[in-house]
Amino acid sequence: EAQVTQNPRYLITVTGKKLTVTCSQNMNHEYMSWYRQDPGLGLRQIYYSMNVEVTDKGDVPEGYKVSRKEKRNFPLILESPSPNQTSLYFCASSSRGEKAFFGQGTRLTVV
Amino acid sequence: AQRVTQPEKLLSVFKGAPVELKCNYSYSGSPELFWYVQYSRQRLQLLLRHISRESIKGFTADLNKGETSFHLKKPFAQEEDSAMYYCALREAYSGAGSYQLTFGKGTKLSVIP
Repeated sequence: EAQVTQNPRYLITVTGKKLTVTCSQNMNHEYMSWYRQDPGLGLRQIYYSMNVEVTDKGDVPEGYKVSRKEKRNFPLILESPSPNQTSLYFCASSSRGEKAFFGQGTRLTVV
Repeated sequence: AQRVTQPEKLLSVFKGAPVELKCNYSYSGSPELFWYVQYSRQRLQLLLRHISRESIKGFTADLNKGETSFHLKKPFAQEEDSAMYYCALREAYSGAGSYQLTFGKGTKLSVIP
């Protein structure tokens, strides 16, 4: 089944403790991206990747890092999480001209 | 810069009533427009894209380039339509923009039984 898989689904952590949210897709899509979803603000793009080793900032990249060492994986890294990064995160992937597939979301709480 | 505007944060309608979720965009190039839906505690999924010109779950949307709008409509709302709806835009044909989706802030539709 074609899908985008994120892990974990839920995460509670403390300020400053590094964490990684994984994202994997099985559709051989070249494009992957991360969004955060906040009430009243909709979906805002954090980072995206056009292909392996090609990444770029989205609208709200501060405090986040990504890497794209393999085509199928696009982890989101928070080196030093802060409470304002408490949010619902979505990973997405697509090929040119095709619809975007979204992961099931990761709800992160930073205390 | 491209922008997608959904003027209503929340829209409440009675079951059986018509629904219209508004979406306006600004973009200098040739846009491709989408509607994504997010049911409670689920991932976003594609509802409609304008190039398909199809009806999904009774919803339709027509791209009006003159008014730069892509409103989502359904003649008779059902309780199961209650969800968050996002309008999105991307470049239609080539380059990096043909991947990048720009989302509106979303409209929460609540269908009252």
